[in-house]
Amino acid sequence: GESVGLHLPTLSVQEGDNSIINCAYSNSASDYFIWYKQESGKGPQFIIDIRSNMDKRQGQRVTVLLNKTVKHLSLQIAATQPGDSAVYFCAENRAGGTSYGKLTFGQGTILTVHP
Amino acid sequence: SAVISQKPSRDICQRGTSLTIQCQVDSQVTMMFWYRQQPGQSLTLIATANQGSEATYESGFVIDKFPISRPNLTFSTLTVSNMSPEDSSIYLCSVEAGTGKTDTQYFGPGTRLTVL
Repeated sequence: GESVGLHLPTLSVQEGDNSIINCAYSNSASDYFIWYKQESGKGPQFIIDIRSNMDKRQGQRVTVLLNKTVKHLSLQIAATQPGDSAVYFCAENRAGGTSYGKLTFGQGTILTVHP
Repeated sequence: SAVISQKPSRDICQRGTSLTIQCQVDSQVTMMFWYRQQPGQSLTLIATANQGSEATYESGFVIDKFPISRPNLTFSTLTVSNMSPEDSSIYLCSVEAGTGKTDTQYFGPGTRLTVL
């Protein structure tokens, strides 16, 4: 069935390094993608989103890249800090029809930042 | 964004009982959703809570097990009925909110349910 998955379930980096978290999606009809950060004991926190008419979007210390040709999404975190340690989820939203507004989540990547 | 609160934040329940989880938003929103996150796993959509009509359930979830109410545009409840230990999960509500140009989903803090 349709799914969104992550290549790497865990990622360990040193403080100050850049982090890259990857996500593959299978639904070519998806037109909106979101990255969430979930800290222990909390709900998912919106980080950044991107629509399918873009291939790159930047925020504060974060960049999302979208490659529709290979159905791949990535989240880049610059100068990673210990406070970035969390589980990161990608999610896709297929607009139109009865699926509008529903998110399909990837499995999640655990990011650990070592001081 | 929207500020979302959930009650209770956590609970420990006996099997066979039911628990109702409340979700309150600080602004009126059209779309509200309920998700389940089993231990160590990702989020799975349970249903879309429709204001003024019955909720729309995803495959594998039924109204008898997870009845949902949506009496207005700022509030919804999810009931986990006749609980078993397999229902131990985090239950999250989310809403769509935005500037109109871009509507995205924001999540509440979750309700951590343990069923003994």
